Amino acid sequence: DAEITQSPRHKITETGRQVTLACHQTWNHNNMFWYRQDLGHGLRLIHYSYGVQDTNKGEVSDGYSVSRSNTEDLPLTLESAASSQTSVYFCASSEFSNQPQHFGDGTRLSIL
Amino acid sequence: QKEVEQNSGPLSVPEGAIASLNCTYSDRVSQSFFWYRQYSGKSPELIMSIYSNGDKEDGRFTAQLNKASQYVSLLIRDSQPSDSATYLCAVNIRGNTPLVFGKGTRLSVIA
Repeated sequence: DAEITQSPRHKITETGRQVTLACHQTWNHNNMFWYRQDLGHGLRLIHYSYGVQDTNKGEVSDGYSVSRSNTEDLPLTLESAASSQTSVYFCASSEFSNQPQHFGDGTRLSIL
Repeated sequence: QKEVEQNSGPLSVPEGAIASLNCTYSDRVSQSFFWYRQYSGKSPELIMSIYSNGDKEDGRFTAQLNKASQYVSLLIRDSQPSDSATYLCAVNIRGNTPLVFGKGTRLSVIA
């Protein structure tokens, strides 16, 4: 069965460190998305990609970057982790923009 | 006006009752609408998709879309304690843009 996997599931790191969260999907979807979810804010879009070499900023992109070198993977990098980036991060994919997104299980990131 | 709005709840209903969850959206050209269920500590899970006006039924779930009034609803019949979760509404607002998610409504089904 096709799936979308995120790793690690949990991570604790220190402020100022670079952190990369992995997202891998076997749906062969062109569209991939990164969200963060915090109490009171719901899902907030960080970055998204509509295909290889394509990346776009979402509503909360400052301090984050992504790159898309193949269809399956969209890693999310925190260049210099800040405590405000402590959150749960979800990766999702979809075939087209007007189709539903399928979510990974999430990564719980704590920055101390 | 926010693009997709939901009452945050909590919405409390007794076991066996009908739970009614509502979502309004701002753009009349929106074409695709989705309901997700999210249990505490888990990822959102798609439960319903609806693309045209009217009702769509799937088991105990019914999605209702009214494009003229710009709202989409989710009805859960014979509510069970296992339905207790946060329900997210998502809308493809326009063209080739990502889905816009509401903040979710927390549903509590009381046994």
